[in-house]
Amino acid sequence: DAEITQSPRHKITETGRQVTLACHQTWNHNNMFWYRQDLGHGLRLIHYSYGVQDTNKGEVSDGYSVSRSNTEDLPLTLESAASSQTSVYFCASSESWVSEAFFGQGTRLTVV
Amino acid sequence: DQQVKQNSPSLSVQEGRISILNCDYTNSMFDYFLWYKKYPAEGPTFLISISSIKDKNEDGRFTVFLNKSAKHLSLHIVPSQPGDSAVYFCAASATGGGADGLTFGKGTHLIIQP
Repeated sequence: DAEITQSPRHKITETGRQVTLACHQTWNHNNMFWYRQDLGHGLRLIHYSYGVQDTNKGEVSDGYSVSRSNTEDLPLTLESAASSQTSVYFCASSESWVSEAFFGQGTRLTVV
Repeated sequence: DQQVKQNSPSLSVQEGRISILNCDYTNSMFDYFLWYKKYPAEGPTFLISISSIKDKNEDGRFTVFLNKSAKHLSLHIVPSQPGDSAVYFCAASATGGGADGLTFGKGTHLIIQP
């Protein structure tokens, strides 16, 4: 069955370190997204991609970057981790703008 | 400025009764709306959607109503069951541009009481 997987599921890192969260989908979807979920804020869009070599900034993109070198993967990089980036991160993919997005299980990141 | 608003952080409903979750939006470019359900430690899962060309969409116990003039949608769950206890997110997209990706509300925690 097609799926979307995130790794790691849990990560603890130190302030200032570079961290990369992986996202891999096997649906062959063009659209991929990264969200963060924080108490009182719901799900906020960090970056998204419409296809290979395409990346776009979302609502809360500062301090994050993504790259899309193939259809299946959209890794999220925190260039220099900050305590404010402690959160649960969700990756998602969708076939089109009129179809539902499928979410991964999430990565809980703690920056100490 | 929040473009998708869920003004009730939590809602408690008795098992067997109707649950009504509300969502308001401000961006007039939104033309596709979705509801997601989320259990703790899991990713959100799609529940039901509606296009702006419709005012109602039904799927089993779940019905979504859209009032475009009021920029309001609601999710009705009838009858409510214990497994419905979860956080529900309203989301919207602008298929013709005017917004980025899916914009989510803050969520409503639905608690179904026995």
